[in-house]
Amino acid sequence: AQSVAQPEDQVNVAEGNPLTVKCTYSVSGNPYLFWYVQYPNRGLQFLLKYITGDNLVKGSYGFEAEFNKSQTSFHLKKPSALVSDSALYFCAVRDGLRTGFQKLVFGTGTRLLVSP
Amino acid sequence: GAGVSQSPSNKVTEKGKDVELRCDPISGHTALYWYRQSLGQGLEFLIYFQGNSAPDKSGLPSDRFSAERTGGSVSTLTIQRTQQEDSAVYLCASSLDQSGGRAYEQYFGPGTRLTVT
Repeated sequence: AQSVAQPEDQVNVAEGNPLTVKCTYSVSGNPYLFWYVQYPNRGLQFLLKYITGDNLVKGSYGFEAEFNKSQTSFHLKKPSALVSDSALYFCAVRDGLRTGFQKLVFGTGTRLLVSP
Repeated sequence: GAGVSQSPSNKVTEKGKDVELRCDPISGHTALYWYRQSLGQGLEFLIYFQGNSAPDKSGLPSDRFSAERTGGSVSTLTIQRTQQEDSAVYLCASSLDQSGGRAYEQYFGPGTRLTVT
């Protein structure tokens, strides 16, 4: 079964420092991987996705993620954190081989707290 | 342009009552999804519509849950005989056609917060 794991419930980082939010995946075929962000009382917003190609994917708001097949990871990164980046981050996966399998399977979420 | 809209934004209902939640997807999006977000359960897939194909209902937790999509656009999620464990935020999302191995991102609405008392 397709799954993603986000091992950290919360990540704390000081403003201006680099941040990493971890995600590992398990799929039977090639993965389609996504990162979404959720601000308080808001729906999820798409940040970036990996389908194929370059292992480093750039997305919205200065975020990027690195796909690592050998480690089955897709960590979200940003070189310099902002207080406004504080939110709940979700990693998600879709099985790319089985075209009839369309749903996203989400991780449990990681709360990012950026302190001034 | 307009995003995904959902109504109502909040719904409080008594145990045993039926509720209907509405989703208006982005115009032109043929794929529509319902998810549920609750404490301790994270984000759960409920149902997926793609064009005129039969919906994927594999995530519906019980036969009290049903959904329909009229005219390939607006969708309604119905929960019959609500229970307290149905309390959650119900999120709707839409995307371009996902068939043929494509993987377009999903755009989410703000959600409906359902509280069953």
